[in-house]
Amino acid sequence: EAGVVQSPRYKIIEKKQPVAFWCNPISGHNTLYWYLQNLGQGPELLIRYENEEAVDDSQLPKDRFSAERLKGVDSTLKIQPAELGDSAVYLCASSFTGGDIQYFGAGTRLSVL
Amino acid sequence: DQQVKQNSPSLSVQEGRISILNCDYTNSMFDYFLWYKKYPAEGPTFLISISSIKDKNEDGRFTVFLNKSAKHLSLHIVPSQPGDSAVYFCAASGGSGTYKYIFGTGTRLKVLA
Repeated sequence: EAGVVQSPRYKIIEKKQPVAFWCNPISGHNTLYWYLQNLGQGPELLIRYENEEAVDDSQLPKDRFSAERLKGVDSTLKIQPAELGDSAVYLCASSFTGGDIQYFGAGTRLSVL
Repeated sequence: DQQVKQNSPSLSVQEGRISILNCDYTNSMFDYFLWYKKYPAEGPTFLISISSIKDKNEDGRFTVFLNKSAKHLSLHIVPSQPGDSAVYFCAASGGSGTYKYIFGTGTRLKVLA
């Protein structure tokens, strides 16, 4: 069974440029999460989806970050414009609705120059 | 305010010996705890969990102990193997089926052959 797939694995951009990350969750998992992981820190939740509905986006910086999960499967996370402080690893995870265990993708490492 | 703390950034252990990784939490509402393991360039992988109704959970070489009065949990790996070398994250949530994990900052374990 395929795990959570994220792309790209690495992205280097200039500050003020836009960037987008893509996530394909495990088949059958209705819940999808985007996390931010700064260097030396644990993952921090940005947004959670139940199917296509964002049920918790309280930690998402909405001035520059946006996310969508139009058909309740794949999801994209966008930053526009990127700032130097956005350099981090962006992790996607998925689970069954109400499931205890979240399964993570390998992440996208973003470097903003 | 760090609600989940892993105070040891790193730990080195000889192969075959016991590895003990510690985690402290401050929020008494947490009642479900997980350990994730992370290899370089990979996403976190679920390892073991424990509910607050238990004080011990065992899975092969891995055992998690929970001391609710001290708000402390620990992960024991016996015997340690070189393949266990990774970063270990402790995570806590408000209960089984509650989606929001709060992660610690991780402990890097190195098992020496």
